[in-house]
Amino acid sequence: IAGITQAPTSQILAAGRRMTLRCTQDMRHNAMYWYRQDLGLGLRLIHYSNTAGTTGKGEVPDGYSVSRANTDDFPLTLASAVPSQTSVYFCASRAGATGELFFGEGSRLTVL
Amino acid sequence: KQEVTQIPAALSVPEGENLVLNCSFTDSAIYNLQWFRQDPGKGLTSLLLIQSSQREQTSGRLNASLDKSSGRSTLYIAASQPGDSATYLCAVRRGSQGNLIFGKGTKLSVKP
Repeated sequence: IAGITQAPTSQILAAGRRMTLRCTQDMRHNAMYWYRQDLGLGLRLIHYSNTAGTTGKGEVPDGYSVSRANTDDFPLTLASAVPSQTSVYFCASRAGATGELFFGEGSRLTVL
Repeated sequence: KQEVTQIPAALSVPEGENLVLNCSFTDSAIYNLQWFRQDPGKGLTSLLLIQSSQREQTSGRLNASLDKSSGRSTLYIAASQPGDSATYLCAVRRGSQGNLIFGKGTKLSVKP
């Protein structure tokens, strides 16, 4: 079944550790996104990529980095995790023809 | 800056009722608007996408309308069922390459 796969599903991490959240899509969508979802704050865009080889900053990019080496993969890296990065992270991709956005199931990250 | 508001934040209705969820946005120059459903602990599932040139879209018991001039969209759910209980989010995009701006959602509870 086509879609977006995120890993890990859940992770507890010590502050200061490096962490990479993985995202893979098999729909050949050019545009991909990373959001974080926090209670009371809704969904906020961290980084995006309109096509392989390009990335851009969203609303809350500090402390995060992304890369887009190919169309399918869009990993999100926390270089040195802090407790305020405790959140649920969602990866999404956008269909080029319609502009419709599709989401993965999310990665729940707890930083202690 | 585009802002998206969803009122009410929570809604509880008895099974069988027809209901309307509201979404308003401050900048009428949108490219499209998308409604999502999110079940607890899950990702977002796309329900309906309305392009800026369209007035409404329908899928089964769901009907979404768009009035750009007034900055409003509504999601109509007919004959609600307990399985419709979820959080419903709307999001707007400014341009074809623009990023989605999300509302904070309406949490719907349908009581049997």
